[in-house]
Amino acid sequence: NAGVMQNPRHLVRRRGQEARLRCSPMKGHSHVYWYRQLPEEGLKFMVYLQKENIIDESGMPKERFSAEFPKEGPSILRIQQVVRGDSAAYFCASSPVISAPASSYNEQFFGPGTRLTVL
Amino acid sequence: KQEVTQIPAALSVPEGENLVLNCSFTDSAIYNLQWFRQDPGKGLTSLLLIQSSQREQTSGRLNASLDKSSGRSTLYIAASQPGDSATYLCAVISNQGGKLIFGQGTELSVKP
Repeated sequence: NAGVMQNPRHLVRRRGQEARLRCSPMKGHSHVYWYRQLPEEGLKFMVYLQKENIIDESGMPKERFSAEFPKEGPSILRIQQVVRGDSAAYFCASSPVISAPASSYNEQFFGPGTRLTVL
Repeated sequence: KQEVTQIPAALSVPEGENLVLNCSFTDSAIYNLQWFRQDPGKGLTSLLLIQSSQREQTSGRLNASLDKSSGRSTLYIAASQPGDSATYLCAVISNQGGKLIFGQGTELSVKP
């Protein structure tokens, strides 16, 4: 059973370009989370998605950032018009269907991350 | 607002020592607490998950405890080895939803 897959592992963009980061969850997992790790900072939550549905985007910057998890295919984190401050490691995690009781959220498994460098 | 703090920020020990990493959180209304390991330039590896109804979890040389009422968790590593050198992260899922809220991590170095 393959783990969470992210690609590309490294991405270099010039200021103003678009960055697309992909995440394929573990088999059988229908919940995807994106986190960002800025240099010398901790991991911060960005967005939580289920198939075709954004559950919580409270950690997403209001502009230039968007995320989707379509019915078919990987989850995509899109950053438009990148700036140097977007340089960071972006991690995706997945978890299975939330099992009953609803208060017991399942373990999250992380991918290897995409390291974005903006020149 | 939930905040997670890890102490110490860095720790260096000789091989073979037993050690304790500390994690505290401000809001005791949590569902899960997870301990992770992160190697330099790598992703996160889940070590232990403790659900809110549990007091501790064990995996090999690792033991994690949870005291919800005091807002504390500890990760105990027995007989440390150089291969244990990494950053250890503590994270909680609060009643605000499924997102993990992370501490800043403890950077552990085990000297041969």
